[in-house]
Amino acid sequence: QVQLQQWGAGLLKPSETLSLTCAVYGGPFSGYYWSWIRQPPGKGLEWVGEIRHSGSTNYRPSLRSRLTVSIDTSKNQFSLKLRSVTAADTAVYYCARVAYCGGDCSSFDYWGQGTLVTVSS
Amino acid sequence: DIQMTQSPSSLSASVGDTITITCRASQNIGTSLNWFQVKPGRAPKLLIFAASRFHLGVPTTFSGAGSGSVFTLTITNLHPEDFAIYYCQQSYSFPRTFGQGTKVEV
Repeated sequence: QVQLQQWGAGLLKPSETLSLTCAVYGGPFSGYYWSWIRQPPGKGLEWVGEIRHSGSTNYRPSLRSRLTVSIDTSKNQFSLKLRSVTAADTAVYYCARVAYCGGDCSSFDYWGQGTLVTVSS
Repeated sequence: DIQMTQSPSSLSASVGDTITITCRASQNIGTSLNWFQVKPGRAPKLLIFAASRFHLGVPTTFSGAGSGSVFTLTITNLHPEDFAIYYCQQSYSFPRTFGQGTKVEV
């Protein structure tokens, strides 16, 4: 059974750096892509970024200048860092596995439990 | 960015009902469309990928259809545990985008 377990600081002040890590258990790490998705309070789901096993990334354009997603294949972990946070970054952040099924077909098939990150002075 | 629009935004239903949620993409996305179920305090669950393919363990009371720019999620014989918020999501291009959600309530 694939499990994603995530952790990181839940309360930040404006201008600080949001840092989350996601560990993958019970399934292969290589051969998959890995993603971060967030949900602001009372709002819908918002894709943040994705990293491939090779380390190549795709980021949400509006976050690109502040965002770094990295991967540690030796630990089966991947991480998110979002710099200079504001209240608009307050959200539940989820890590997720990306399963590609050919061509443009892909889905987020397994998710972490979510981490509420609150940005407040 | 590809815009995903769901309708309705919310609907009221009863146990045993059949409901259909529609998701429209702002351009042709083929069958690159996924459906998720979200419950408060829980991680989202993948239901349907590639417009009509079942994720492992998803009950057959859920079904997806469509291609191009119009897609549907149908839930037959609603169970109490099916009351949740449902989101569509396109995987055709980056950035990945979700619909605004459809709340299914009693």
